[in-house]
Amino acid sequence: GAVVSQHPSWVICKSGTSVKIECRSLDFQATTMFWYRQFPKQSLMLMATSNEGSKATYEQGVEKDKFLINHASLTLSTLTVTSAHPEDSSFYICSASHAEGANEQFFGPGTRLTVL
Amino acid sequence: AQSVTQLDSQVPVFEEAPVELRCNYSSSVSVYLFWYVQYPNQGLQLLLKYLSGSTLVKGINGFEAEFNKSQTSFHLRKPSVHISDTAEYFCAVTLNSGYSTLTFGKGTMLLVSP
Repeated sequence: GAVVSQHPSWVICKSGTSVKIECRSLDFQATTMFWYRQFPKQSLMLMATSNEGSKATYEQGVEKDKFLINHASLTLSTLTVTSAHPEDSSFYICSASHAEGANEQFFGPGTRLTVL
Repeated sequence: AQSVTQLDSQVPVFEEAPVELRCNYSSSVSVYLFWYVQYPNQGLQLLLKYLSGSTLVKGINGFEAEFNKSQTSFHLRKPSVHISDTAEYFCAVTLNSGYSTLTFGKGTMLLVSP
């Protein structure tokens, strides 16, 4: 149980284009979803937290207009990287938690974004 | 706010040897503690967690960790490692009441050689 999927697993795009990454909780309802960014050989950096049906809460220093997060249902959250540039290239990981989860998060497999 | 320190960025060890990966945390209130493993180009997999109860927690793949409140530590141990245990290991903490985000340590790379 508590499986989280991400799609796509990797994506290559041209500079200036937008990319959408999906995060789905497959067997539970995710009241809260989280988006992380991970640079090579570094830890995970929390970008934003989203609750179903409300606006995401962004961490300090994360551009909300660049990283659009939508949590339209209890099983789906999307991260859209708008007007991507090479410096946005990174590994993006989502996680999800449910109300009974004791603050535990279940992680997706990650999405590797490369912007050329 | 809570914080996590993983003192060792890299731990080299020979196959079948025991290993300990250190994790210390800082928090003014009670916490939940987690260890995750990450293989190259993959997401995080939960190894084990401490929520309450017994301070010795057993996880998957033969790993265990002990919660030591007085030393604010949650070290991860395995009595005999395999080549396949080579991966990045992250310790994480969250508060055990109310809403709290997960705070990660910087990670420890476990390198198992034959």
